[in-house]
Amino acid sequence: QVQLVESGGGVVQPGGSLRLSCAASGFTFSSHITHWVRQAPDKGLEWVAVISSDVNNNRYADSVKGRFTISRDNSKNTVFLQMNSLRPEDTALYYCARQGNSLDDWGQGTLVTVSS
Amino acid sequence: QSVLTQPPSVSAAPGQKVTISCSGSSSNIGNNPVSWFQHLPGTAPKVLIYEDNKRPSGIPDRFSGSKSGTSATLGITGLQTGDEADYYCLTWDSGLSVGVFGGGTKLTVL
Repeated sequence: QVQLVESGGGVVQPGGSLRLSCAASGFTFSSHITHWVRQAPDKGLEWVAVISSDVNNNRYADSVKGRFTISRDNSKNTVFLQMNSLRPEDTALYYCARQGNSLDDWGQGTLVTVSS
Repeated sequence: QSVLTQPPSVSAAPGQKVTISCSGSSSNIGNNPVSWFQHLPGTAPKVLIYEDNKRPSGIPDRFSGSKSGTSATLGITGLQTGDEADYYCLTWDSGLSVGVFGGGTKLTVL
């Protein structure tokens, strides 16, 4: 049974940092590309970042480039999203998703609120 | 403003058919596979269609996908009240080297 569990969300002031984690189980984690996707309140889904299975090829949405860093630890079956210089517009539910044929499996999300 | 354009809303009666369009360009839909997701806010999105027109196991054949040029379409037949949700298209944009979602379409089953 594939399972993805996000954690690390919370309330942070503008300019602050958070590190999200996505713990995976039930599949060969090191073989799969992983994405982060977010949904701001009353907005649609927004693709955020992707990391290749071998950590050598990452991509970011323009809205987060230079502020967010995606990484993974295959020994711990975990993907991370380091978020720096947070802005109110980064407030969202953040999901991680496993890429198979598409974004086949998703976690339930972790909520990030950027507010003073 | 999303790179992919979807209608904000569609509606139809139970039992009827509805289509949801997703319009892009040659750098995204025109040269990359399209997926479709069903999403109830606060829950995990579910993939309905991948590689333009393939259904994952467990997705009923009431859901179908097609693509022509730089536009893709999701079709849903035999509408049920349980189909009320937000629907999103997703593809890769080769020019921007990013994933892109459509703006989402809210389906109402009247």
